Amino acid sequence: GNSVTQMEGPVTLSEEAFLTINCTYTATGYPSLFWYVQYPGEGLQLLLKATKADDKGSNKGFEATYRKETTSFHLEKGSVQVSDSAVYFCALSGSSARQLTFGSGTQLTVLP
Amino acid sequence: DVKVTQSSRYLVKRTGEKVFLECVQDMDHENMFWYRQDPGLGLRLIYFSYDVKMKEKGDIPEGYSVSREKKERFSLILESASTNQTSMYLCASSLSGKGGLGYGYTFGSGTRLTVV
Repeated sequence: GNSVTQMEGPVTLSEEAFLTINCTYTATGYPSLFWYVQYPGEGLQLLLKATKADDKGSNKGFEATYRKETTSFHLEKGSVQVSDSAVYFCALSGSSARQLTFGSGTQLTVLP
Repeated sequence: DVKVTQSSRYLVKRTGEKVFLECVQDMDHENMFWYRQDPGLGLRLIYFSYDVKMKEKGDIPEGYSVSREKKERFSLILESASTNQTSMYLCASSLSGKGGLGYGYTFGSGTRLTVV
């Protein structure tokens, strides 16, 4: 079946540091891949997505590239801000599935 | 702006009460989902629905039921609330089919339920 493995947290960075949160997946066919962000006390918001191999999703300075050869979709940001502190979830929609499969989430804390 | 609206942000209920959590979406989405979120356990799917009056069990349906009488509304029911149902509950919706799921889910803001 489909699965998503995310980098264990929590991750603590200083402001302006470079961020990478690793995400790898297992799926048949050609899934779509997503990153969601959850700010404290809120629901999840779609951050970015990619629907085919080599696509790059980007939003708010975050980027992730769909790498089929390594089955990965790592989230990156060149310079994090305190306001980026949140939980980040990687997810996929498999070609035969009717739901998204979520990773376990990675807590990011950015210190001033 | 498209929305999924959950009726309450915070709710406190007593053990044994029947609890209704309401979710309404204005995007004409076919699919609706209920998750609970607990520290260290990620998102766990309780129930979902692909159409009006349809429902399917997710990974942790015990102690819950759902109702979908109209396309835009999906209710989660705790038949007899217990303290181990204290959690954050998240509703989501999506378009149907592979193409629809390619847009992902839209989530509500969540309901933090405390059962005392």
